[in-house]
Amino acid sequence: NAGVTQTPKFQVLKTGQSMTLQCAQDMNHEYMSWYRQDPGMGLRLIHYSVGAGITDQGEVPNGYNVSRSTTEDFPLRLLSAAPSQTSVYFCASSEPGQGSNEQFFGPGTRLTVL
Amino acid sequence: QQPVQSPQAVILREGEDAVINCSSSKALYSVHWYRQKHGEAPVFLMILLKGGEQKGHEKISASFNEKKQQSSLYLTASQLSYSGTYFCGTEGGTSYGKLTFGQGTILTVHP
Repeated sequence: NAGVTQTPKFQVLKTGQSMTLQCAQDMNHEYMSWYRQDPGMGLRLIHYSVGAGITDQGEVPNGYNVSRSTTEDFPLRLLSAAPSQTSVYFCASSEPGQGSNEQFFGPGTRLTVL
Repeated sequence: QQPVQSPQAVILREGEDAVINCSSSKALYSVHWYRQKHGEAPVFLMILLKGGEQKGHEKISASFNEKKQQSSLYLTASQLSYSGTYFCGTEGGTSYGKLTFGQGTILTVHP
């Protein structure tokens, strides 16, 4: 099993550009989440999904869109990049039905917006 | 609301003990603990569930006080490999499955 994979690993954007961060998992987990990590702020939830076709907002959803058409994939779209979106982005999946909502994290995408 | 972790940083020598605390202002269903090494993704250590059930790491223990909405992570006889940033994540109220993380505690273990 590859676990949770994310692409790209690094990305540099100019202000106003759009892009999609990809996330996929092969563990058949129902729950998937996107977090951003900034120095001293911990991990903040952007959007999450409890199953295909179901998404909801987290703490910091503005400027980001998500969709979940399959169990495996959960892409994060930046609509119009801003310097404030410079961060490390982590995707995670979990399966609460197994008695624990342990989050399995992907390796992260380091995004810089100029 | 983000749980509050204390202390913000801890420096230890190998073999010493440490306690990291996590406090929330809302009623909790569970508390998770993760460790993150520099440049890597967070890795699951332990989960504590309401009702006292504990699942997780064999060499690190934790407690969960449901009435006070507090959890503590106990690292005993620390090893160099324990160095990293520790995060607690909380699930509470109607937000089952949705984790809110603390700001992290940086643990440094020296030889």
